[in-house]
Amino acid sequence: QAGLTQPPSVSKGLRQTATLTCTGNSNNVGDQGATWLQQHQGHPPKLLSYRNNNRPSGISERLSASRSGDTASLTITGLQPEDEADYYCLAWDSSLSAHVFGGGTRLTVL
Amino acid sequence: EVQLVESGGGLIQSGGSLRLSCAASGFTFSSYAMSWVRQAPGKGLEWVSSINSPGGSTYYADSVKGRFSISRDNSKNTLSLLMNSLRVEDTAVYYCVKALGSGGGNEIDYWGQGTLVTVSS
Repeated sequence: QAGLTQPPSVSKGLRQTATLTCTGNSNNVGDQGATWLQQHQGHPPKLLSYRNNNRPSGISERLSASRSGDTASLTITGLQPEDEADYYCLAWDSSLSAHVFGGGTRLTVL
Repeated sequence: EVQLVESGGGLIQSGGSLRLSCAASGFTFSSYAMSWVRQAPGKGLEWVSSINSPGGSTYYADSVKGRFSISRDNSKNTLSLLMNSLRVEDTAVYYCVKALGSGGGNEIDYWGQGTLVTVSS
């Protein structure tokens, strides 16, 4: 099953803004949107944003998600050291009847 | 508080079988779809399988179709994954995950801590 496309790495400075992208097609991201997850080394993933771009309770307002066509984006403003992690997008593919992940983006905060 | 506790991982030889279990608590288990997601060492996340809330519909990644079987016991709040004909490439941490709704395509919200499966040649 083909996955979603994410850039392998993004590097930004402290207090800067990072925008992570996730590209799929009309059967997955373009259909119902994408979920965003954060994973720190050695820990399970944590939900950052629902498909409707809303944040779960307790997730920082510095994070915001959006979608344009087949591409979903996660923007993190005012980057902090704790934002350094791997970020994954996830969508349901209605043509495959399968969940599909992006390959993940490693965000480095300089 | 939602809790998902996986068990059953370990070291197994190639070609062998293993059953993973996930004990769920803190929510009405029978109302939500559940899934298994795995992560090979140093690699990204890979969806493995999902099951809807009643257990009548199941979904599998092509990489495990015909070898793995997902099931649930709503009376015991337990999710299972029976893994047969294991291969070295099945080596991964396996996460039990909860969906936001009852259908298999619902988005995932909660994750367990994971259990490590190591398949040796």
